[in-house]
Amino acid sequence: QKEVEQNSGPLSVPEGAIASLNCTYSDRGSQSFFWYRQYSGKSPELIMFIYSNGDKEDGRFTAQLNKASQYVSLLIRDSQPSDSATYLCAVYKNNRLAFGKGNQVVVIP
Amino acid sequence: DGGITQSPKYLFRKEGQNVTLSCEQNLNHDAMYWYRQDPGQGLRLIYYSQIVNDFQKGDIAEGYSVSREKKESFPLTVTSAQKNPTAFYLCASSIGTGPPNEQYFGPGTRLTVT
Repeated sequence: QKEVEQNSGPLSVPEGAIASLNCTYSDRGSQSFFWYRQYSGKSPELIMFIYSNGDKEDGRFTAQLNKASQYVSLLIRDSQPSDSATYLCAVYKNNRLAFGKGNQVVVIP
Repeated sequence: DGGITQSPKYLFRKEGQNVTLSCEQNLNHDAMYWYRQDPGQGLRLIYYSQIVNDFQKGDIAEGYSVSREKKESFPLTVTSAQKNPTAFYLCASSIGTGPPNEQYFGPGTRLTVT
């Protein structure tokens, strides 16, 4: 089982809709959870992180963490064409981050 | 402006040559990291350093070497022993290695070896 899994394929959403991304992790001892956005050809940029069960909101982004089920999700409200990117999930444990492969989001005007 | 710089942006080398990638940060962060990203893949950790003069291997350290002589600098050498060196190399830093461990990335160096 991979440390961090992001299984869904490219996600196409109409402009203004909600994009929903999911990530599961294998190690119950993981302590903090991150979402990064990566535009094509660019480096990842940190969107937000969460470490307590529940929701955390930052602008149009909401991260949701469920440690019992070992998943973390990212909701993007009012999706904009500028949100078109690959979103990487990362999980912290033992001085390092483990990254998923990412999910591509395409916002259709 | 505080940030992380990597140079050069693009690097081309012949097979069999060692090459050193630069990473500098002025964020006063203690921890620095090197990752490799291949097309369609997530980031894989090569090496990381928690403090000056100390570093640890990540998941794919074979064929790579690093040094940490200054807090601001963490250069990565890709040696000729690395079998598939062509990739996008990313340097990151964080305040420390403890949780939550927010890591911030430099712009990356795209290395092509032929």
